[in-house]
Amino acid sequence: QKEVEQDPGPLSVPEGAIVSLNCTYSNSAFQYFMWYRQYSRKGPELLMYTYSSGNKEDGRFTAQVDKSSKYISLFIRDSQPSDSATYLCAMSAITTSYGKLTFGQGTILTVHP
Amino acid sequence: GAGVSQSPSNKVTEKGKDVELRCDPISGHTALYWYRQSLGQGLEFLIYFQGNSAPDKSGLPSDRFSAERTGGSVSTLTIQRTQQEDSAVYLCASSLFSPLTGNSGNTIYFGEGSWLTVV
Repeated sequence: QKEVEQDPGPLSVPEGAIVSLNCTYSNSAFQYFMWYRQYSRKGPELLMYTYSSGNKEDGRFTAQVDKSSKYISLFIRDSQPSDSATYLCAMSAITTSYGKLTFGQGTILTVHP
Repeated sequence: GAGVSQSPSNKVTEKGKDVELRCDPISGHTALYWYRQSLGQGLEFLIYFQGNSAPDKSGLPSDRFSAERTGGSVSTLTIQRTQQEDSAVYLCASSLFSPLTGNSGNTIYFGEGSWLTVV
């Protein structure tokens, strides 16, 4: 079993929809949680960053972490065609090398007009 | 340059050949990372350099893989005797410092990757 599980999709939604992306994990030592967006043939770019449990909002994006359930989510409100990309969750433990992020498989999202 | 620069962007090599992939991090960034991304897979950690500390090589999949970072800046990832399963995108990233901080100030910036195909 992988340390981080993410539904690869693909996920296709109409413009304006609310998108929910999720990851589960097994390593209770994970403390830092991130969401990256990756466009085709580009490197991942950081979207959201959360330390420990709780919610964080940035514009149309909301990240949630539930450490008791080992479950994290990214919500995208009023989705746009420009949001079409692969979304990767990533995590890091405070006790390990901070360069060693553990990534989910990535969810391919398409927002159609 | 403004971002993390990687070369070559694309490389096709014959099985058994050695390849070198280069990464030029963002100026001033002391932490440098190599990840590998296979088709339909998430990113797999390979190696991490932080300043003058010994690198964390725990993700290197075999002794055919090695990496060095000269002068605390440019890094080269070398794959010897390439195999078809080495075909992947090799992504380099850098950050201002490590560890991650609670204020999310230590963003990790990725390059666009070197797309390696072993035939």
